[in-house]
Amino acid sequence: DAGVIQSPRHEVTEMGQEVTLRCKPISGHDYLFWYRQTMMRGLELLIYFNNNVPIDDSGMPEDRFSAKMPNASFSTLKIQPSEPRDSAVYFCASRFWDTIYFGEGSWLTVV
Amino acid sequence: QKEVEQDPGPLSVPEGAIVSLNCTYSNSAFQYFMWYRQYSRKGPELLMYTYSSGNKEDGRFTAQVDKSSKYISLFIRDSQPSDSATYLCAMRGGAQKLVFGQGTRLTINP
Repeated sequence: DAGVIQSPRHEVTEMGQEVTLRCKPISGHDYLFWYRQTMMRGLELLIYFNNNVPIDDSGMPEDRFSAKMPNASFSTLKIQPSEPRDSAVYFCASRFWDTIYFGEGSWLTVV
Repeated sequence: QKEVEQDPGPLSVPEGAIVSLNCTYSNSAFQYFMWYRQYSRKGPELLMYTYSSGNKEDGRFTAQVDKSSKYISLFIRDSQPSDSATYLCAMRGGAQKLVFGQGTRLTINP
């Protein structure tokens, strides 16, 4: 299996623009997670899905953030409008039993 | 106070040394404990997984959990330069939300 696939790997955008991050989880995994990692705050859970249904979005920082999982093989995390403080690495991860597999991350810079 | 506390380091040791990495936590509901390794510009990967208290060994790595003290450790024996990475502890209770420590950056010097 190719693992969790994220795109884009790197994104530089201007403040106010919409950003869409994409994730393809590992086939057969029933949980999907979105994390954000920064030097200051470490790795934070934003939202997670179980069988495509959002279960806990309490980590989503503001209404500017939204996530969807229209089917078992695809999820998006959208930021609209983006702000410089959103600059971070965004990881998608999927889970099988008790093992979470992370993608390589989407490195977002908002200028 | 954070639910999980981990010294961010950095920690630098010579090759062959025994490395000890630690985390403390405050939530007594945590019962699943993990260590992840993250290489530079990569995603974290699961290294060790432990349920409840006790020790678990896997090659050069040993994970220890002391629930009475709310303290977990990861030991690396015969450390190698390839072990240089950031090590993150993670834990959860019955819910699926995994809480991570800040991560400790480790460098093994040849």
